[in-house]
Amino acid sequence: QKEVEQNSGPLSVPEGAIASLNCTYSDRGSQSFFWYRQYSGKSPELIMSIYSNGDKEDGRFTAQLNKASQYVSLLIRDSQPSDSATYLCAVIITSGTYKYIFGTGTRLKVLA
Amino acid sequence: EAGVTQFPSHSVIEKGQTVTLRCDPISGHDNLYWYRRVMGKEIKFLLHFVKESKQDESGMPNNRFLAERTGGTYSTLKVQPAELEDSGVYFCASSQIASVRGQYFGPGTRLTVT
Repeated sequence: QKEVEQNSGPLSVPEGAIASLNCTYSDRGSQSFFWYRQYSGKSPELIMSIYSNGDKEDGRFTAQLNKASQYVSLLIRDSQPSDSATYLCAVIITSGTYKYIFGTGTRLKVLA
Repeated sequence: EAGVTQFPSHSVIEKGQTVTLRCDPISGHDNLYWYRRVMGKEIKFLLHFVKESKQDESGMPNNRFLAERTGGTYSTLKVQPAELEDSGVYFCASSQIASVRGQYFGPGTRLTVT
């Protein structure tokens, strides 16, 4: 079992719809969770971080964390073609260091 | 504020040659991380510097990889001798403090070993 799992996609949604991206993790002690957006050939860009159970909203983005079920999700409201990218889930596990464990990423396509 | 920069953006070398990748973190960031993405796989951690000290090098694949951060500013990652399986994108990231807050990534160096 991978430590962080994501569906590779592509996930296609029409413009204006809600895109829902999911991530599960195996280490029950994990404390910190991040969503990065990566355009092709570019660097991963931090868009959301979440540390507590529940929802965290920032503009059109909402991160949701459920530690009991070991999943974290990212909702993108009013999806735009410019949101088309790969979304990476990253987790810091409680190993005493601060290295990220990444999922493989989900490719999102927003159709105009 | 300048972001994390990496050089070169792309390197093509033959098996057995040596390559040195460079990363300049965001100014003032003591923490510097190296990651690698092999095609089709997830981004994987290589090592973590705090200033000039190696905090965690558990992800370094073998002794053909040598990372340095003299003076606690920029870092280099040398691969010697390069093998075919070393091909991939090498990312550098930095953060101001070693914490559970976000890391800022550079654009990566695409290494192709032929």
